[in-house]
Amino acid sequence: AQSVTQLGSHVSVSEGALVLLRCNYSSSVPPYLFWYVQYPNQGLQLLLKYTTGATLVKGINGFEAEFKKSETSFHLTKPSAHMSDAAEYVCAVSVSGNTPLVFGKGTRLSVIA
Amino acid sequence: SQTIHQWPATLVQPVGSPLSLECTVEGTSNPNLYWYRQAAGRGLQLLFYSVGIGQISSEVPQNLSASRPQDRQFILSSKKLLLSDSGFYLCAWSKKGQGSGELFFGEGSRLTVL
Repeated sequence: AQSVTQLGSHVSVSEGALVLLRCNYSSSVPPYLFWYVQYPNQGLQLLLKYTTGATLVKGINGFEAEFKKSETSFHLTKPSAHMSDAAEYVCAVSVSGNTPLVFGKGTRLSVIA
Repeated sequence: SQTIHQWPATLVQPVGSPLSLECTVEGTSNPNLYWYRQAAGRGLQLLFYSVGIGQISSEVPQNLSASRPQDRQFILSSKKLLLSDSGFYLCAWSKKGQGSGELFFGEGSRLTVL
C-alpha cells in the first residue's frame, strides 16, 4: 500500500525567501506523484505532477519539484516566496489510474511580509 | 473542457437532520467519482468512490451514504447528521484506464452541524 508523509504541518517563510515543502512517499511500484494547492474554502488545484520522464517537474506559479527515487522524495520548492503563495499544499501518490490517490496531511504555508 | 460542479457551497444543519450534497461532472463520460472529507489537521479522508452507475465503494463506516444515479452525478447523503459530520466535503473525478489517477476537484461544500 502507498503512503505519503509531509514533514511540517505549518511552514512560515519571509516574502522573497526560498520555499521548501517536504514530501516522502512509500510505494512498492513506480509511483505517480502530485502536489496540489488549496486556498481557504476552495477545492484543490493541481500544482504539478510527475508521471514518467524528467525527474524535475515544473508547475504553475513558479513552483517545481524533483522526484528522487533513491530518497523516495518529491519535495516542492520555489526560489522566492510571494504573499499570494500562502495556502495549504498537499502531496499525493498513486500507482495507477484505477486506484484512488493517497494524500498526505498537508502543509500550511504562511508568507510573512 | 471538463468541469465539475458541487453544491451547496455552504450548509448549516441541526443534529439529526438529513443531508444531501450533489456533484456533477461535465465534458467527460464514464469517470471515476469520489467524495472526500477534510477536517482541520487531519488531511483528506476518502469516504466513497465509484467506478460506474450504481457501483459504490465505501472506505469509512459511518452514517453517510453515496449514490450514483447517473454516469456523471454523485450524491452524498445522510439520514441523520451527527456533530462529527461537520467538515469540508470535496467531490472529485478522474479518468479511467492507464492514466496517472490525477484527480480534478470541485469547489467544496462546508457543512456545519449544530
